[in-house]
Amino acid sequence: AQKITQTQPGMFVQEKEAVTLDCTYDTSDPSYGLFWYKQPSSGEMIFLIYQGSYDQQNATEGRYSLNFQKARKSANLVISASQLGDSAMYFCAMRESGNQFYFGTGTSLTVIP
Amino acid sequence: DTGVSQDPRHKITKRGQNVTFRCDPISEHNRLYWYRQTLGQGPEFLTYFQNEAQLEKSRLLSDRFSAERPKGSFSTLEIQRTEQGDSAMYLCASSFMTGRKEEQYFGPGTRLTVT
Repeated sequence: AQKITQTQPGMFVQEKEAVTLDCTYDTSDPSYGLFWYKQPSSGEMIFLIYQGSYDQQNATEGRYSLNFQKARKSANLVISASQLGDSAMYFCAMRESGNQFYFGTGTSLTVIP
Repeated sequence: DTGVSQDPRHKITKRGQNVTFRCDPISEHNRLYWYRQTLGQGPEFLTYFQNEAQLEKSRLLSDRFSAERPKGSFSTLEIQRTEQGDSAMYLCASSFMTGRKEEQYFGPGTRLTVT
């Protein structure tokens, strides 16, 4: 089974609207961390947000928030007030307690003016 | 400190040659990761260091790959007897923990082309 599943190869959102990028994960490890990254066409990888498995509250970083639903094993990224500069690939990843890291296949987000 | 740096940025080598890449993390970061990314794919975890100790290595990683982090500062990734399938972007990231929160910072990557 895939450790990280991102089912949306591509997404479009109108500028200033909110968008949700889906991510589900599979682990039996009680201790894990979930990450979201942005990779613009220029290629650099940018860390966005982190959620620990024991964290009760959803993580937020500015316009980014992580909708963590532990029972469903989902960790969706919500971007509020989309900007043109948000157009990029977005990767969801998980680190298990053994420090193995698993990445999803990514979602390409296009913000439409 | 301006961030994570990697050297070289590009490397072209012939099949069968050995190559070595260097990563300089952010100085106060004790965690260091190596990843590989091929075109159109997500990154693939290679290995992880906490300080100078290599704590984890991908189960899929060939014995031709080795990494070191002497003194817990910079790290090197060596690929021996390169193959065309090794052509990829090699990314290094460093991180620190604040409480239970981890923030990772990536370098610009080293693009390897094996001819």
